[in-house]
Amino acid sequence: DAGITQSPRYKITETGRQVTLMCHQTWSHSYMFWYRQDLGHGLRLIYYSAAADITDKGEVPDGYVVSRSKTENFPLTLESATRSQTSVYFCASSEGAGGLLDTQYFGPGTRLTVL
Amino acid sequence: GIQVEQSPPDLILQEGANSTLRCNFSDSVNNLQWFHQNPWGQLINLFYIPSGTKQNGRLSATTVATERYSLLYISSSQTTDSGVYFCAVERSNNDMRFGAGTRLTVKP
Repeated sequence: DAGITQSPRYKITETGRQVTLMCHQTWSHSYMFWYRQDLGHGLRLIYYSAAADITDKGEVPDGYVVSRSKTENFPLTLESATRSQTSVYFCASSEGAGGLLDTQYFGPGTRLTVL
Repeated sequence: GIQVEQSPPDLILQEGANSTLRCNFSDSVNNLQWFHQNPWGQLINLFYIPSGTKQNGRLSATTVATERYSLLYISSSQTTDSGVYFCAVERSNNDMRFGAGTRLTVKP
């Protein structure tokens, strides 16, 4: 299927466990992004990637690790999950020609609960 | 980092009414975008508008970069317009921030 997909859609884990959220896009977009959305807040950028093997920190990178070995995939790992990381996580991609805020296409989101 | 404030935080309209949503930002920006998040959580770009005015159907947006604000106009609102509207800004140093959003409810 064309587009941008995230997996899993829902995840419950325990404090201290490692969790990886997957993001896959089929457009060969250069840029990919990870955001978190908490109640009462807009989206906050965790990490972004301008191309394979190039990643940069966003506003709230602490506690997260990303990699991008292939253009189409951008996994986000919580190395030791904490309750404060309970959130909805969105992945997005864009061509990036207009900067970070070039037209972004969002995945459906992953709702993560850390107990 | 740059501060982004959206107003009003909540807005309730009758179907057919018009509305104006505002986004103020604290510093000069290179880019600005408006997004809509529908009640099911899906996020969609509306306008990429670092300056000037754009229109798309019943929606239009204006950004006055020198005065550090942007406006989103919704005319003849429909129930499908309900959801949360976010603006996001980007500075030259790749600092990107979203506002907290305006939650719009359109009643039939």
